Amino acid sequence: NAGVTQTPKFQVLKTGQSMTLQCAQDMNHNSMYWYRQDPGMGLRLIYYSASEGTTDKGEVPNGYNVSRLNKREFSLRLESAAPSQTSVYFCASSDTWDGAVGYTFGSGTRLTVV
Amino acid sequence: GQQLNQSPQSMFIQEGEDVSMNCTSSSIFNTWLWYKQDPGEGPVLLIALYKAGELTSNGRLTAQFGITRKDSFLNISASIPSDVGIYFCAGTSQKLVFGQGTRLTINP
Repeated sequence: NAGVTQTPKFQVLKTGQSMTLQCAQDMNHNSMYWYRQDPGMGLRLIYYSASEGTTDKGEVPNGYNVSRLNKREFSLRLESAAPSQTSVYFCASSDTWDGAVGYTFGSGTRLTVV
Repeated sequence: GQQLNQSPQSMFIQEGEDVSMNCTSSSIFNTWLWYKQDPGEGPVLLIALYKAGELTSNGRLTAQFGITRKDSFLNISASIPSDVGIYFCAGTSQKLVFGQGTRLTINP
């Protein structure tokens, strides 16, 4: 089925460990996004890639890096995980960078940093 | 920056009741979108609105793009248990901005 695939679905890290969250879309969308969702905070944009070869910071980029590997794949890296990064992370993609036609979201990665 | 104020933050209703939620902003938006997030899943697009005053339905859901372009509402008629979840509004001008979400709980 067409859509956005995120891996892993669950992860527990120790403080200071690093990891990369993977995201791939098969809808030939130009734009991709990483959000985090915390209770009572809604969805906050971490980084986005308006098109292949470009990345930009969102609302809460500190502590994260991203790579737009190709048109399909957009990864999010935590270099040194902190408990404040415990959250649910969602990847999304869209045909237009402003999201006017709506985003398609993955099912999320639930990350716990202890 | 642009912000969306979504209300209410949570709703507890009886099955069969109608539901109404809204989003307001001090900024003008070109597009309004409504998403639903089921527990343990990512948000899914329900309705997209592209013109001021536009009223659009999707089954038991009805959404409107406010005339001032600064607000939108979503109504759900005759709620059923599968309507449970978090509903997000989102608006676009130069980028997509999300509201904080309305958590809907239904008592059977």
